Amino acid sequence: DVKVTQSSRYLVKRTGEKVFLECVQDMDHENMFWYRQDPGLGLRLIYFSYDVKMKEKGDIPEGYSVSREKKERFSLILESASTNQTSMYLCASRGGGQESYEQYFGPGTRLTVT
Amino acid sequence: GQNIDQPTEMTATEGAIVQINCTYQTSGFNGLFWYQQHAGEAPTFLSYNVLDGLEEKGRFSSFLSRSKGYSYLLLKELQMKDSASYLCAVRDGDYQLIWGAGTKLIIKP
Repeated sequence: DVKVTQSSRYLVKRTGEKVFLECVQDMDHENMFWYRQDPGLGLRLIYFSYDVKMKEKGDIPEGYSVSREKKERFSLILESASTNQTSMYLCASRGGGQESYEQYFGPGTRLTVT
Repeated sequence: GQNIDQPTEMTATEGAIVQINCTYQTSGFNGLFWYQQHAGEAPTFLSYNVLDGLEEKGRFSSFLSRSKGYSYLLLKELQMKDSASYLCAVRDGDYQLIWGAGTKLIIKP
């Protein structure tokens, strides 16, 4: 079974703090994704990565950055947290073959910025 | 623009059948996913349709009509554990998925 883990289930940070969210997958997947999920809105893609050290902006990259130094790990960084970044953050991974478009999700990190 | 519409909430009775609709308008189409998400948990994969028609998988079936920009998820013999949100997503290009806001399904005894 594919396993995607995230470093924290719940996180409370203060405005202006730098925040690191970590995601690790154990299936040697090439592609990894960071989403945020807010009530009444669909999952919105922040960034994705299709290879080590490669990254692409998603729909809402402003205020975020990412790092992928190893294949299994994809980090999301909030350089200076703001209250409008309070949300559920979901990490996902996907294999690289054309037959495997399914994304596997981690349990999510509920971030509150006060 | 890119748009995926699903009903916000539906209610059904244990043991019954429910159909959750999804309509989409996207610049590209390479397939449509359905995911299930229980409250506070990660989305989990249910189905993936690329071609028109009905695909059945146990109590769950998913239908796609590409010409109509329409899909539905059919859940039979509803159980209390089916209470969850159901997310529709379209694969637009190679990597990105466009997600609907999800349909919250409430099952009553």
